[in-house]
Order: sequence, then C-alpha cells, then structure tokens
Amino acid sequence: SQTIHQWPATLVQPVGSPLSLECTVEGTSNPNLYWYRQAAGRGLQLLFYSVGIGQISSEVPQNLSASRPQDRQFILSSKKLLLSDSGFYLCAWSVDRVGRETQYFGPGTRLLVL
Amino acid sequence: AQKITQTQPGMFVQEKEAVTLDCTYDTSDQSYGLFWYKQPSSGEMIFLIYQGSYDEQNATEGRYSLNFQKARKSANLVISASQLGDSAMYFCAMREGEWGMDSSYKLIFGSGTRLLVRP
Repeated sequence: SQTIHQWPATLVQPVGSPLSLECTVEGTSNPNLYWYRQAAGRGLQLLFYSVGIGQISSEVPQNLSASRPQDRQFILSSKKLLLSDSGFYLCAWSVDRVGRETQYFGPGTRLLVL
Repeated sequence: AQKITQTQPGMFVQEKEAVTLDCTYDTSDQSYGLFWYKQPSSGEMIFLIYQGSYDEQNATEGRYSLNFQKARKSANLVISASQLGDSAMYFCAMREGEWGMDSSYKLIFGSGTRLLVRP
C-alpha cells in the first residue's frame, strides 16, 4: 500500500531564515505530487504541483519554491521566511489515471514563523 | 464568486443519528470531480468519498454517502449513524476540467464545516 511521509512535523523558525520541508511517497511510481498550505481555520490552498521529476507548476507567486529531485520526493523551500508563511503545510499525491485522481494527504507540517 | 461554498461553519449531531453537511459548487466545466475530506484535530486530511460529474449514481462509502444534485450544483455529504470519532472538520473540494489539463490537478476547497458529535 502507499504511504506518504512529511517532516518535520512541527517547526518554529525566525523571520528571514531559510526553510526546507520534505515529502516522500512509498508504494507507487511516478505519482503527481502537491504542496498545499492551510491558514488557521481555513481551507487548503494549492501552492505547487508536479507531474514528474523536475516538473514544477506554481499556483501562487510568493517567496516559496518547490523541487522534485527524485520520483517520489517533493521539497518545499524558502530562502527567507516571512511572518505570513506561518501555517499548516500538507503534501499530497495522486496517480495519473482518469477516474482515479483522488489526492491523498500526508500528516502535515506545522510552521510557525516568529 | 466562490467555487465551493460550505454554509455551515459548525454542526451538532447526536450520536447514532444521521447528519447532512452542505456543499454547493460553481463551475462551467462539464467534467469535474467532487471530494469530501475529514480533518481531525491531528490535522491530517482523510479522503472520504468521490463523485465524478458523469457518475449517474450517488457515491457511497460505508457510512458516508454523497447526495449529488447536478442541476442544483450541490454535493452534500451524509453521515449515517454518527460516532464520536466523526467529530472533526469536513471539507468539500472540487477538481475542474478534463483529467490531464493543468486545471484538473488543482483541488479547490471550501472553508469547511466543524462537526461535533454529542454522546
């Protein structure tokens, strides 16, 4: 069966510091991968998605970036964090198959920027 | 206009009773998908049920069913025989466009409904 891992689970970072959040998927090959952000008490907002190694699509222009160095690895980064980057970051995966496009989410990373 | 509207910020239900969580959507696409996710206090988004726009039957998954009314653009979630573990936030989401188009990779989420099951 497929599993998705995210780390760290919780992160407290000062403003202006760099960020690296990692997501890995097991049990499937060539998944579509996604990064979402959830502000407190709100729904999810798609940040990036990737349909293959090195292929990144950005949904929201901001000081975050994403990379996919391996098939089942997705990384969210920032060179300098802002206070507004605080939130709950969720990684998700799906298979590229009509009728099977459900996205499955990881446990998430809670980021607090002070 | 919002693409996904969940008008109930909070709901109470008595244990063992059924509850309906409302969701309306707005799209001009003929092909789309509708999803419901559960988010307990731990934060993980748990997939519950999916309905494709071309599906003629309402989707069911165990105690969850989706009341799909295409003409009214509504996709309400029905939870039968509520359990204490059902207390959580519930999100309705939509995928627009034919699968494989850029737009189809994006899930658009509603603002959620917090469900509390009373013993």
